[in-house]
Amino acid sequence: QQKVQQSPESLIVPEGGMASLNCTSSDRNVDYFWWYRQHSGKSPKMLMSIFSNGEKEEGRFTVHLNKASLHTSLHIRDSQPSDSALYLCAASSGSFNKLTFGAGTRLAVCP
Amino acid sequence: GPKVLQIPSHQIIDMGQMVTLNCDPVSNHLYFYWYKQILGQQMEFLVNFYNGKVMEKSKLFKDQFSVERPDGSYFTLKIQPTALEDSAVYFCASSLVRAGGYAEQFFGPGTRLTVL
Repeated sequence: QQKVQQSPESLIVPEGGMASLNCTSSDRNVDYFWWYRQHSGKSPKMLMSIFSNGEKEEGRFTVHLNKASLHTSLHIRDSQPSDSALYLCAASSGSFNKLTFGAGTRLAVCP
Repeated sequence: GPKVLQIPSHQIIDMGQMVTLNCDPVSNHLYFYWYKQILGQQMEFLVNFYNGKVMEKSKLFKDQFSVERPDGSYFTLKIQPTALEDSAVYFCASSLVRAGGYAEQFFGPGTRLTVL
């Protein structure tokens, strides 16, 4: 059964600092990774997605993917208190876009 | 941005009763999904639905579960009868159909179901 492992479980960074979150899939058929952010009591919202080896940057957010190791990471620079949330990594494979989620990393950005 | 709505936000029912969870997907989306999240655990895929049919379902999608979207109205998840282990937050999602099959899924805020 496909598993998605995220680390760390929780992370505290100072305002203005860099947050780095990790995610690995154990399913060799995975070919798309998604990063979602979920504020408490709200719906998950997609931040970034990646399917090619390498790096993708959007504003303060950068995502990396190593397809050989099925490892992706999300980096948030200049972290803000509003970035405090649960970050979910999801992987998909196959034509019907079923998402397999990790347990999440809870990020707290302290002023 | 596009919004998925879910009704109700909370539902408390007695074990053995039937419950219907409603989802109002993004208007031009054609793929619909249900996910289940038990308190303190990760979100897990239940089922996806396209063109009036279930395309894929997980082991969590028991025989007591059914989904439908009659005439473009709400996309519903029905559980009949309910069991204690059905207590969870149920998230609905929808997406466009894209070549290659991958498209961003937009999630609703969830329905918290408590089975007593």
